Amino acid sequence: DAGVIQSPRHEVTEMGQEVTLRCKLISGHNSLFWYRQTMMRGLELLIYFNNNVPIDDSGMPEDRFSAKMPNASFSTLKIQPSEPRDSAVYFCASSRVPGQGVDGYTFGSGTRLTVV
Amino acid sequence: AQKVTQAQTEISVVEKEDVTLDCVYETRDTTYYLFWYKQPPSGELVFLIRRNSFDEQNEISGRYSWNFQKSTSSFNFTITASQVVDSAVYFCALSEANYGGSQGNLIFGKGTKLSVKP
Repeated sequence: DAGVIQSPRHEVTEMGQEVTLRCKLISGHNSLFWYRQTMMRGLELLIYFNNNVPIDDSGMPEDRFSAKMPNASFSTLKIQPSEPRDSAVYFCASSRVPGQGVDGYTFGSGTRLTVV
Repeated sequence: AQKVTQAQTEISVVEKEDVTLDCVYETRDTTYYLFWYKQPPSGELVFLIRRNSFDEQNEISGRYSWNFQKSTSSFNFTITASQVVDSAVYFCALSEANYGGSQGNLIFGKGTKLSVKP
């Protein structure tokens, strides 16, 4: 089991550019979560999917952010256009229905985004 | 609304001391899950434990132990005989069970930064 895989690990981009973050879920997991971590706000949920369907996107900051789950194992988070205040670490996590394992949510290693 | 409070922002101890990290939660649901995660300086989030709301048994795993008390809505984490490698930020989190049993959103506390000095 390779775990949740995020790419890229680091991204530096200029303000106004489009940024796409990628996440591959653990096989067999049916829920996918995107979190953002900043010093000021801590860890906050952006959006989550169950069985490829978006359930709660109330944390998506504004229309510049969009997330997709084109299949059961892959998701993208896109920021267009990016702004310096989007600089943060973005985590992807996946989970499965409780009772089917003792683990909780498995997080990827994160993408550190810097918008200059 | 759900909320997780970790009142201790930073704790500093000397190696071999015991340390307890506090976590208080708020939820209106009867079915929920509580978690602890560790974030070492390298930045990844490492799963430590998950408890469901119906299981109030305390748990011990090596030097780690957890005390879940529904009466006080607390889920405290104790490290016995702390080591330098325990230095990290520790997050307590809460999730509620969605209809159908899938886990819902994880709501995190602000974290407690633990520094263990040699």
